[in-house]
Amino acid sequence: SAVISQKPSRDICQRGTSLTIQCQVDSQVTMMFWYRQQPGQSLTLIATANQGSEATYESGFVIDKFPISRPNLTFSTLTVSNMSPEDSSIYLCSARQGAETQYFGPGTRLLVL
Amino acid sequence: QKEVEQDPGPLSVPEGAIVSLNCTYSNSAFQYFMWYRQYSRKGPELLMYTYSSGNKEDGRFTAQVDKSSKYISLFIRDSQPSDSATYLCAMSAGGGATNKLIFGTGTLLAVQP
Repeated sequence: SAVISQKPSRDICQRGTSLTIQCQVDSQVTMMFWYRQQPGQSLTLIATANQGSEATYESGFVIDKFPISRPNLTFSTLTVSNMSPEDSSIYLCSARQGAETQYFGPGTRLLVL
Repeated sequence: QKEVEQDPGPLSVPEGAIVSLNCTYSNSAFQYFMWYRQYSRKGPELLMYTYSSGNKEDGRFTAQVDKSSKYISLFIRDSQPSDSATYLCAMSAGGGATNKLIFGTGTLLAVQP
């Protein structure tokens, strides 16, 4: 199984600022994803991080707000830009290994004041 | 109607009980079925992975898929307080970037000592 780490684990930010979350996988994976999880709710897919090309965003999420990079097969970043209190959430990095098995990082807890 | 339906609970059982967690789905194209366990303030952990119909057993955990009824289950035998967590079902139609993992809302389980 893939082991995924995320940095930072948590942060408190002021509105209008940006935060970049890093995701590192311990082995090469086929696909990487970014999710958001509101308290007490399930996971919402933000985008698929494509290696060497622009990420594929889900409906309701745009590149200007959530720019994503994936420079290689084991690393990706998600930036939450121009933050507002509505962006307070848990952001999860995920990686798919093989056909369908998908693993998650520990998450980044973000609070925007 | 949501693609995947899951009773959010909470479900409270005494230690040693058999727990049954269930999800129903509407998309007959789903072939890959997963159960994740998420402890409070942690990322989801892949617990069981099943392809197509049938049963899969791993220790105290058994996953069942009934594609004809579009119904999947996770059974936990001899439940322990350490099993207290949120259990998320997830499923997809197959490999490739277009086949996203669709999650249920999660069932909160509490095993009372």
